[in-house]
Amino acid sequence: GAVVSQHPSRVICKSGTSVKIECRSLDFQATTMFWYRQFPKQSLMLMATSNEGSKATYEQGVEKDKFLINHASLTLSTLTVTSAHPEDSSFYICSARQGAQAFFGQGTRLTVV
Amino acid sequence: SQQGEEDPQALSIQEGENATMNCSYKTSINNLQWYRQNSGRGLVHLILIRSNEREKHSGRLRVTLDTSKKSSSLLITASRAADTASYFCATAANSGYSTLTFGKGTMLLVSP
Repeated sequence: GAVVSQHPSRVICKSGTSVKIECRSLDFQATTMFWYRQFPKQSLMLMATSNEGSKATYEQGVEKDKFLINHASLTLSTLTVTSAHPEDSSFYICSARQGAQAFFGQGTRLTVV
Repeated sequence: SQQGEEDPQALSIQEGENATMNCSYKTSINNLQWYRQNSGRGLVHLILIRSNEREKHSGRLRVTLDTSKKSSSLLITASRAADTASYFCATAANSGYSTLTFGKGTMLLVSP
């Protein structure tokens, strides 16, 4: 099946700094990618839909200026958590669709200290 | 927002037993998918069932869909310790690139 690669898998950063997470579709082009956030033992909550060449679509309650999404090419979307705070600590997962099926990255464990 | 509920929230069984997980949803769907997630990892697609299908098999997996009850079940037969993971159902409103809406998941523990 298709492969989606997410990097880094783990990151620890200091409060106030920014962190960039990359999501790449390795063997297919993805005009649309999705960013999710997952709290421990909970389900995935969609944060935003990343659209190649245009602005991302954010879900209600997700701050656009805090979670910057860039989808500059058909194989790469990035999520930047700006001015990170401890409450931003979470597991972030991206996915890309190929037809009806979604393929997920390995996830990024962000810890803000 | 989350589509619905999965039950049970947690399931603990012995190797060799069957595991059944249920998923309910609220709105009309084009398809329903089941995913597996090992702790701290991404999701792996298991099986997709379309709204006009009632049952589907893939190896030791059997999925049913009852659109009248807005529910689906995932059966894992002859479970193995390696099946230990969280299982999520996800619904799609259409066949295109619509977002997936995930249920809350069932944590399955299979003991040797």
